Amino acid sequence: AQRVTQPEKLLSVFKGAPVELKCNYSYSGSPELFWYVQYSRQRLQLLLRHISRESIKGFTADLNKGETSFHLKKPFAQEEDSAMYYCALFSYNQGGKLIFGQGTELSVKP
Amino acid sequence: DTAVSQTPKYLVTQMGNDKSIKCEQNLGHDTMYWYKQDSKKFLKIMFSYNNKELIINETVPNRFSPKSPDKAHLNLHINSLELGDSAVYFCASSLRDSNSPLHFGNGTRLTVT
Repeated sequence: AQRVTQPEKLLSVFKGAPVELKCNYSYSGSPELFWYVQYSRQRLQLLLRHISRESIKGFTADLNKGETSFHLKKPFAQEEDSAMYYCALFSYNQGGKLIFGQGTELSVKP
Repeated sequence: DTAVSQTPKYLVTQMGNDKSIKCEQNLGHDTMYWYKQDSKKFLKIMFSYNNKELIINETVPNRFSPKSPDKAHLNLHINSLELGDSAVYFCASSLRDSNSPLHFGNGTRLTVT
């Protein structure tokens, strides 16, 4: 079964602290993974995708096939990072669809 | 020049009513989606259309009927609304390519009383 799990519903850190949002997946093929972010009162938008191996707003995510993980990391959190973060897996089954994890709300305190 | 726009933004209605949510994208994408975000912020796909053709229909009650008059529009009609239908409904679009990101609308917050 294809599944994305984000074990933390809420993650609270202080400004300047490192942050890691966990994401684990279950997929039989070669996974294509994404992180989406939803800031308060804004639409959901793509943050980064594993295939690009990019760093966006200081965030990075590395695909670890051995641990089936795609954790999102940032060395120094900023208050403006406070948002809802969704890990997502593209599944080729049934015509192709994006399966989202449950989401993790990141709260960065001053 | 909004990329994916959906209307209305808020919808409050009574049980048993029929309502529609409209979605339009001007990105030239060939695939459009409806997602439901429940009270726990969980996002689940409902439907997906590619070039006006239904390609994904998750286990959604048949009270929900999507309609795609052309590849730039995907509307969602809901019959006989129930309390459990209260949620935020997001429209999204993309190219039919696994690495093409989804572009989301602002969402429609539906409240059924």
